[in-house]
Amino acid sequence: SQTIHQWPATLVQPVGSPLSLECTVEGTSNPNLYWYRQAAGRGLQLLFYSVGIGQISSEVPQNLSASRPQDRQFILSSKKLLLSDSGFYLCAWSVGSLYTFGSGTRLTVV
Amino acid sequence: QQQVKQSPQSLIVQKGGIPIINCAYENTAFDYFPWYQQFPGKGPALLIAIRPDVSEKKEGRFTISFNKSAKQFSLHIMDSQPGDSATYFCAASYSGNEKLTFGTGTRLTIIP
Repeated sequence: SQTIHQWPATLVQPVGSPLSLECTVEGTSNPNLYWYRQAAGRGLQLLFYSVGIGQISSEVPQNLSASRPQDRQFILSSKKLLLSDSGFYLCAWSVGSLYTFGSGTRLTVV
Repeated sequence: QQQVKQSPQSLIVQKGGIPIINCAYENTAFDYFPWYQQFPGKGPALLIAIRPDVSEKKEGRFTISFNKSAKQFSLHIMDSQPGDSATYFCAASYSGNEKLTFGTGTRLTIIP
């Protein structure tokens, strides 16, 4: 069966520290992968999406970057976190228009 | 053109009532309209979806109504329960570009 793993579930980081969030998918090949951010009580903001290894599209300019070193691995990174980077980060994969979301990472930058 | 406008932003309904969440779109190329349900602290999960060849789709207590000429679709929850309290997102995509465009979400609260 197809599953998506996202970790950690919660993270508290100081301003200026680096960030690495990882997402892996099982049970499917060559999925489209996505990183979304959700501010408290707000909608889903698409940050990055990838259609293949090494292929990353950025939706909004920001303090974050993404990489896809393997077919089923998607990483969200930052060199120096800002307070405004706080939020709920969601990884998702899709085949066609069927999206499956991970359980999310609650990031608090202090 | 790519936007999906969702309303209301929040909704409070008594148990047993029928909450209705509405979405409108501009891009006539859209041909797939899913609804996602998100509980606090969790990722959204697909609830129900419709394609424009039908005007209505029911799955259990959840119904999507689709009006192609008005470019609108809505989610109805029959006999709503406190366990239905969640944030609901509508979305749309079209063939050849399966990247979903999401609405802004509706926070639904069902009070006992």
